[in-house]
Amino acid sequence: NAGVTQTPKFRVLKTGQSMTLLCAQDMNHEYMYWYRQDPGMGLRLIHYSVGEGTTAKGEVPDGYNVSRLKKQNFLLGLESAAPSQTSVYFCATLPGLAGSTDTQYFGPGTRLTVL
Amino acid sequence: AQSVAQPEDQVNVAEGNPLTVKCTYSVSGNPYLFWYVQYPNRGLQFLLKYITGDNLVKGSYGFEAEFNKSQTSFHLKKPSALVSDSALYFCASDFGNEKLTFGTGTRLTIIP
Repeated sequence: NAGVTQTPKFRVLKTGQSMTLLCAQDMNHEYMYWYRQDPGMGLRLIHYSVGEGTTAKGEVPDGYNVSRLKKQNFLLGLESAAPSQTSVYFCATLPGLAGSTDTQYFGPGTRLTVL
Repeated sequence: AQSVAQPEDQVNVAEGNPLTVKCTYSVSGNPYLFWYVQYPNRGLQFLLKYITGDNLVKGSYGFEAEFNKSQTSFHLKKPSALVSDSALYFCASDFGNEKLTFGTGTRLTIIP
């Protein structure tokens, strides 16, 4: 049981390049989230999904796209990377059962640098 | 707007002393409140949560937090700090929409 995994762990991009971050979970959780963490700003929600085939915008969605084609995977895409997207990206999951007061489970993070 | 605030960027405590990391929230109604810890180059780990009931919540690694509705606070506490408690601590709230709103984090340093 690996929990929440993120691929890759580190990446360096040049401005304008594209890439996709993969979040995978083996806990059969319904909800999945992408956050970015920047110094002094805590974690900010980029996009999230409440189930397979669904996505929704979070607090800072601009410049990112997401897809949830399979329940266990949540992809975060950067079509044209910008230096402002240099950050540490975290994926999280939540069981999403009705009435649940469970907590979110976080992946280990992806450190992205855009030059 | 609903928000979570951590007024201290940095807290330094001598080993063996009690520690407090502060968190306040701004919302109408009754939010779910959480504390997470982040060690260097790691993801966030859940410490404890308040949903309802007893205002004093006990969590992992000897930490506890007190929910105070009149002061809209949820401060994290530990009676005796360890050097291994040094980390970045985040307070967060779920305002009923299953999305977490995080504070900006407090770096806790325990001095030997």
